[in-house]
Amino acid sequence: ETGVTQSPTHLIKTRGQQVTLRCSSQSGHNTVSWYQQALGQGPQFIFQYYREEENGRGNFPPRFSGLQFPNYSSELNVNALELDDSALYLCASSSRGVPTDTQYFGPGTRLTVL
Amino acid sequence: AQSVAQPEDQVNVAEGNPLTVKCTYSVSGNPYLFWYVQYPNRGLQFLLKYITGDNLVKGSYGFEAEFNKSQTSFHLKKPSALVSDSALYFCAVRDYGGATNKLIFGTGTLLAVQP
Repeated sequence: ETGVTQSPTHLIKTRGQQVTLRCSSQSGHNTVSWYQQALGQGPQFIFQYYREEENGRGNFPPRFSGLQFPNYSSELNVNALELDDSALYLCASSSRGVPTDTQYFGPGTRLTVL
Repeated sequence: AQSVAQPEDQVNVAEGNPLTVKCTYSVSGNPYLFWYVQYPNRGLQFLLKYITGDNLVKGSYGFEAEFNKSQTSFHLKKPSALVSDSALYFCAVRDYGGATNKLIFGTGTLLAVQP
């Protein structure tokens, strides 16, 4: 098991609502990346946070936003939820500055939008 | 753009037999390649990575992967499969876009090991 934790484990929301997902990074890691994994697909990169700033973004609309805190933990916020947002949301922590570093994943949050 | 392809949706193998899960890549520059495993309702677990050096990379749980530059492949292998190896396997490549260090994943291969 990695030291990456995520909460909550499961979440059910309705269309139009807002949701916040949380991630605590592994000790010693300063970078958090978020991925969306739809059913039957590989994870898709949402964005990455380093030093409390967004450090790159995938092909996701602005209603997907995030934060990173001084202790390197992170939040993913999704506004105006759509049915297609139903997915497993994974966060991964790593050490920036080490080109060969590995991303270690948390257990994920399963979001269902009704 | 960097990409990986996993040509098999599912691989079936009998327990005790060798297994191979295939992955091919397309990159500009040097490839940094990874294998992850996902058990049902779980996150991804890191198995191994290729950065540079020996073409045969050894990882966790007895898995290894062979990097082949001429065939642009990075196949995952294990000499003797266990029923407990049954899971979803993802190949990934690192994509350096500006300052971002992100992973591009394949579509996954479901490994089923029969007792």
